[in-house]
Amino acid sequence: GAGVSQSPSNKVTEKGKDVELRCDPISGHTALYWYRQSLGQGLEFLIYFQGNSAPDKSGLPSDRFSAERTGGSVSTLTIQRTQQEDSAVYLCASSLDGYDNEQYFGPGTRLTVT
Amino acid sequence: AQRVTQPEKLLSVFKGAPVELKCNYSYSGSPELFWYVQYSRQRLQLLLRHISRESIKGFTADLNKGETSFHLKKPFAQEEDSAMYYCALWSYQKVTFGIGTKLQVIP
Repeated sequence: GAGVSQSPSNKVTEKGKDVELRCDPISGHTALYWYRQSLGQGLEFLIYFQGNSAPDKSGLPSDRFSAERTGGSVSTLTIQRTQQEDSAVYLCASSLDGYDNEQYFGPGTRLTVT
Repeated sequence: AQRVTQPEKLLSVFKGAPVELKCNYSYSGSPELFWYVQYSRQRLQLLLRHISRESIKGFTADLNKGETSFHLKKPFAQEEDSAMYYCALWSYQKVTFGIGTKLQVIP
């Protein structure tokens, strides 16, 4: 079956612009995760959704970052007023539920802020 | 706060040599630990998790609560093992990954 998909695969934007990144999880997976992978860094956990709810948003780097999930499926990560330090690969993963924690990762969105 | 430490960014070994990728963690509760692998041009994928206590592709990892470690081991490295390896700690609602270790197996 189809795996986790993310769009766009690449995004180049000017500093100060807003961007929206999309994640389509595996059908039936109720848990969804967003990560950021910067050059030379590990995976930075951003946020976790169980269904449409994100109980803990403290991993988001700043208030310019927001995420939502609708219908228990698609999720969008929005970055407002992008900065150069936001340049990274943004990864999305899903798992069957929050307790079955084998995560299936998407291919990522490479964001470049110029 | 939970933390995962992978002290080596790069580990080079010869084909046929033993491999040990180190992972140490700090967590106040009972940890659930994983190793994920990313081969070149492929997605990040689960390699193994400590609760299953299985061997995948010849790799094993034992959770040592006394030393707070979850090192990944393989007795004989193969060229196809060259990849990035990430240790991860899962707790309710949050996942912490290490910085990753690049394993390079030299033919």
